[in-house]
Amino acid sequence: EDQVTQSPEALRLQEGESSSLNCSYTVSGLRGLFWYRQDPGKGPEFLFTLYSAGEEKEKERLKATLTKKESFLHITAPKPEDSATYLCALLAGTALIFGKGTTLSVSS
Amino acid sequence: GAVVSQHPSRVICKSGTSVKIECRSLDFQATTMFWYRQFPKQSLMLMATSNEGSKATYEQGVEKDKFLINHASLTLSTLTVTSAHPEDSSFYICSAAQGELGTQYFGPGTRLTVL
Repeated sequence: EDQVTQSPEALRLQEGESSSLNCSYTVSGLRGLFWYRQDPGKGPEFLFTLYSAGEEKEKERLKATLTKKESFLHITAPKPEDSATYLCALLAGTALIFGKGTTLSVSS
Repeated sequence: GAVVSQHPSRVICKSGTSVKIECRSLDFQATTMFWYRQFPKQSLMLMATSNEGSKATYEQGVEKDKFLINHASLTLSTLTVTSAHPEDSSFYICSAAQGELGTQYFGPGTRLTVL
């Protein structure tokens, strides 16, 4: 069964304190792994797509990496505006399977 | 680019009434649109996939007669919740993509409350 597990569920950081969010997955045929950011009461905002192990993508303070079993979202020197829920999703077949997300809180 | 809008953003209705939610891709042609539902502190659950001009494909457990989906053009899909009940209260979010395997761009969501 295709499955996505994100950890931790919640993460509190001080401004400038770098960390990583984990997305572990099992899938019969990976067509893509997606990272989204969701603010409360809003729809998810697209961040990255990764297609193969070893691939990395960066955007501002965020960097996503992919292995055959997991993906990491690295946050370097976060700011309070980075506070949000980060969702990982697998494209398996034609459907996106979402994890439950990691809620990040960054305090100044 | 890749902007998706939803209307309305919030709706409150009485039990037994029907509610229509619109989803529009504003700056690209979306051959495929998706409808999701999200309960508090839960992740997004796919309800149905629709391709322009075709009937929607519903996920297991989603009643197609209750959640009517119309994908009339490459920029517009609608979800109608028929005979809504309090248990249908949720956050409904659409996404649009260029093809079923394309990156999905999400709308801002519609908060439905059924009294």
